[in-house]
Amino acid sequence: AQKVTQAQTEISVVEKEDVTLDCVYETRDTTYYLFWYKQPPSGELVFLIRRNSFDEQNEISGRYSWNFQKSTSSFNFTITASQVVDSAVYFCALSSNAGNMLTFGGGTRLMVKP
Amino acid sequence: ETGVTQTPRHLVMGMTNKKSLKCEQHLGHNAMYWYKQSAKKPLELMFVYSLEERVENNSVPSRFSPECPNSSHLFLHLHTLQPEDSALYLCASSQDGASYNEQFFGPGTRLTVL
Repeated sequence: AQKVTQAQTEISVVEKEDVTLDCVYETRDTTYYLFWYKQPPSGELVFLIRRNSFDEQNEISGRYSWNFQKSTSSFNFTITASQVVDSAVYFCALSSNAGNMLTFGGGTRLMVKP
Repeated sequence: ETGVTQTPRHLVMGMTNKKSLKCEQHLGHNAMYWYKQSAKKPLELMFVYSLEERVENNSVPSRFSPECPNSSHLFLHLHTLQPEDSALYLCASSQDGASYNEQFFGPGTRLTVL
């Protein structure tokens, strides 16, 4: 069985602050894939990033960056200089080549105040 | 229309009603999914279709009945639901059923069962 834990259920920051969303995963598979999705108030989940288990390089995309560490089974997401439009629920998810479908964490609700 | 669309966006039904949720994807994908998102549980995968064949059914009660007439359309037929079935029902699609593919989500149908 696989599991994704997002310990932070809700985070509130003031605009321009940096914020890190934590994600810890469990799997017995050696080949797996990690994802982050954003769910704005409109409801649809928006794909942000995918990493496979063989690629531990960190990634930066504009104000977003991701830190993947297999040693701690973590895939954390940092937003630099947060903006009000970043307010949403963020989900971390895991799937594997062993046929396990996408397993989502409980989500972290991020509120960015002006 | 682009992406993944879902109708209706909101639905209120009694426990004895029969209704259907519709999902349509305009991405040329071959796999489609139904998820349930409720306040108290993480996103739960309900059904997976790949090339119009059901490949996953996560022990969903028989009062939920999926139908996939072609690779672009997915339905969820509802009958004799319970109040605890009230939730946001999300449809998603991906290139195929491979676990590494990102999924594209619709905006969801907010279902309330009275």
